[in-house]
This record gives sequence, C-alpha cells and structure tokens, in this order.
Amino acid sequence: DVKVTQSSRYLVKRTGEKVFLECVQDMDHENMFWYRQDPGLGLRLIYFSYDVKMKEKGDIPEGYSVSREKKERFSLILESASTNQTSMYLCASSFPRTGLARGAGELFFGEGSRLTVL
Amino acid sequence: DQQVKQNSPSLSVQEGRISILNCDYTNSMFDYFLWYKKYPAEGPTFLISISSIKDKNEDGRFTVFLNKSAKHLSLHIVPSQPGDSAVYFCAATPDGSSNTGKLIFGQGTTLQVKP
Repeated sequence: DVKVTQSSRYLVKRTGEKVFLECVQDMDHENMFWYRQDPGLGLRLIYFSYDVKMKEKGDIPEGYSVSREKKERFSLILESASTNQTSMYLCASSFPRTGLARGAGELFFGEGSRLTVL
Repeated sequence: DQQVKQNSPSLSVQEGRISILNCDYTNSMFDYFLWYKKYPAEGPTFLISISSIKDKNEDGRFTVFLNKSAKHLSLHIVPSQPGDSAVYFCAATPDGSSNTGKLIFGQGTTLQVKP
C-alpha cells in the first residue's frame, strides 16, 4: 500500500512563527503536492514538485515556500504564520502521467495536518 | 476563478436509494476526471475516474458519467449505504500533455446517507 505520512496531525502556532510541515512518501513517486482544504473552497493547490529540487507554484503560493531535497520528502514552510493560514494541510504524491497504466493523475494523500494559528 | 464546481454543498439520501453527485467544469482542456472521498480527520482517498474519451465508467456501486458537450460529470452511488457518508470531491487534471499530474478540485459535496 502507498503510504504518505505527514509529520504532525495537529499543530497550534502563534502569529509570526515559522512553521514546518513535513511529508514523506514510500512509493518512489516523482510528483508531490501540498494542498489546503477550507470549508466551501475545497482543496486548493499551494505548491507541487515533479522532481528533486524542482518546484512549481500552485494556485495559492503566497505566504508559503517548499523544499524537496530528497525524492521521498516534501516540506511546506510558512515563513511567518498568519491567522488566515489556519487550515487543514494535505500532502499528496503520484507517478507522472505517462498514461492510464500509471494511474493518470491519481493522487495518494496523507491524513492531513490541522494547523491553527493564534 | 473556480474551474471545477460542485454547486451542491450537501446531499441527504435514504439508505438503499441512489445518490447523485454533480460536478461542472469550465476548461475544455481537462482530459481526465476523478472522484475522491474524504472522511473527517482523514486524507481524501481515490474512488473512481474517467478519461475524456469515455462517457461512462463503472466500479461496483459507483458509476461516473461524463457529458463533454455540457462540461458536466456526475457520480452515481447505487445502492447508497450509511458508510458512504463523507465529503466527495470532484477533480480534473488540466495538463493534457504534461506529466505533472496536478489536480484541480471542486468545493466538495457532503453526502449523508440515513439508515
């Protein structure tokens, strides 16, 4: 079974703190993603990476950065946390879209990290 | 600009009846569509998918229909069971030729199946 593990299920931080969210996958997936889930807004893509040291902005990258130093690990960084970053953060991984035989876009998600910024 | 829309925030059905969840999209370049199911305090899990070259895909109690001309897809669950109660997300991949595999998600529909 594919396993995507997020380091913290629940975090409480103060405004201005630096926050690290870690994600590790064990399926040798090339692609990794960070989404946030908010009520009424669904899942919105923050950043994604299709290779080590490669990253691309998603739809809402402002206030976030990422790091991918190893293939299995993808970190999301909030340089200075703000209250509007209180959310559920979901990490996911997948193979590249090389056709239907490789799943063609199926993402495997971690259990999520619930971040509260006070 | 919401490219994938689920206009019904919630749906309630009786156990044993059909559940129909709807999804609309605006981008004609989307070529692959997926449904995910999410329980509280868990990550979403893949449910079923459909390629734009098909109009129907079936997997047990779950069937997804795609109407490309209307840019609309729907998920049918028959018969519905209480364990199906969850949030359902529709997703589409906009990368027809690239391999990044990123997905654009809708807002989600909360399904409640009553015993």
